[in-house]
Amino acid sequence: SQKIEQNSEALNIQEGKTATLTCNYTNYSPAYLQWYRQDPGRGPVFLLLIRENEKEKRKERLKVTFDTTLKQSLFHITASQPADSATYLCALMPMNRDDKIIFGKGTRLHILP
Amino acid sequence: GAGVSQSPSNKVTEKGKDVELRCDPISGHTALYWYRQSLGQGLEFLIYFQGNSAPDKSGLPSDRFSAERTGGSVSTLTIQRTQQEDSAVYLCASSFGSLGAAYGYTFGSGTRLTVV
Repeated sequence: SQKIEQNSEALNIQEGKTATLTCNYTNYSPAYLQWYRQDPGRGPVFLLLIRENEKEKRKERLKVTFDTTLKQSLFHITASQPADSATYLCALMPMNRDDKIIFGKGTRLHILP
Repeated sequence: GAGVSQSPSNKVTEKGKDVELRCDPISGHTALYWYRQSLGQGLEFLIYFQGNSAPDKSGLPSDRFSAERTGGSVSTLTIQRTQQEDSAVYLCASSFGSLGAAYGYTFGSGTRLTVV
């Protein structure tokens, strides 16, 4: 069956360290993969996109990697801050281009001061 | 508008009643999506509108759910004869057409529906 899996357990990281979140997918051929941030009581906010032919993408303190062999994307926040605490969602657009992005359940990140 | 606007932000309804949820997308965004998010669950796709094309209703969980989009702008999601399992946050998103999905969806803050 098709699955997008993110670590369901919350991730606690000390302020200033690098936080790394994992997204694994099964039985999808993504055209691209996206990462969103969601705060309590709010809708997800788009952060980054990485295409299937790209290995790495950076934006300020954020870095995303994409390994189509491992079927995995890693999302890194360097020099983490308490304000980075949120739930981070992985999402992918399947190659069949039916234009619906499929979302993972998200990983809650806590940056400890 | 500056963002995607959803109303109401909270709705408590009795089982068996009908509810209407409204979404006002970003001006100029031709694609509009409805998702729902239950506690501890991922975003579940419901329905997708793209311009004047027939909507993709493949995610609607039952025939009690329907949606329309008037004039290519505002959308209304209607749930008839609500059940307790319909309780969730209903999120609306818009983008610059299907190819614009590559630039990310812009989500509203959602409507939290509670069926009692």
